[in-house]
Amino acid sequence: SQTIHQWPATLVQPVGSPLSLECTVEGTSNPNLYWYRQAAGRGLQLLFYSVGIGQISSEVPQNLSASRPQDRQFILSSKKLLLSDSGFYLCAWTSGLRGNTIYFGEGSWLTVV
Amino acid sequence: AQSVTQLDSHVSVSEGTPVLLRCNYSSSYSPSLFWYVQHPNKGLQLLLKYTSAATLVKGINGFEAEFKKSETSFHLTKPSAHMSDAAEYFCVVIRSGGYQKVTFGIGTKLQVIP
Repeated sequence: SQTIHQWPATLVQPVGSPLSLECTVEGTSNPNLYWYRQAAGRGLQLLFYSVGIGQISSEVPQNLSASRPQDRQFILSSKKLLLSDSGFYLCAWTSGLRGNTIYFGEGSWLTVV
Repeated sequence: AQSVTQLDSHVSVSEGTPVLLRCNYSSSYSPSLFWYVQHPNKGLQLLLKYTSAATLVKGINGFEAEFKKSETSFHLTKPSAHMSDAAEYFCVVIRSGGYQKVTFGIGTKLQVIP
């Protein structure tokens, strides 16, 4: 069966520090991968998606970046965090097949102080 | 274009009474429709999905949803609310294809009053 792992679960980072959130998927190949952010009391905002290794599309301009160095690995990064980057980050994947489900990781709660 | 509208940001029901969470969608394609539940500080868990088979879909924890194409709706219901149902619920539309465009509703917070 397929599983998705996301870490770290929580982190507190000072303004201006770097960020790296990692996500890996097991049990499938060539998934579509997504990073979402959920700010407190708001819906989910799509940040990045990837349909293959090295293929990253950004939905919202910001100081975050994403990379996909391997087929089932998706990394969210920042060189210098802003206070506004605080939020709950969710990694997700789909198989690309019709009617397929989107599956989510457990999330990473980022607080920038 | 693709969009999802959850008509209520907050719904409050008494324990043991029916639950209705409303969702309307628009899509230029034949989409798949989903409901997810999110408990505080957790990821999203799939409740049920519609993928062009039966229009009445049964999910986990006693939830079900009916796809009504004429009304472009996919409302989530449960006959009797339980305290553990208190959470946030998201209606989701996914367009099939190489890149599956995923569109979320804003979410509905369900409060269950004992």
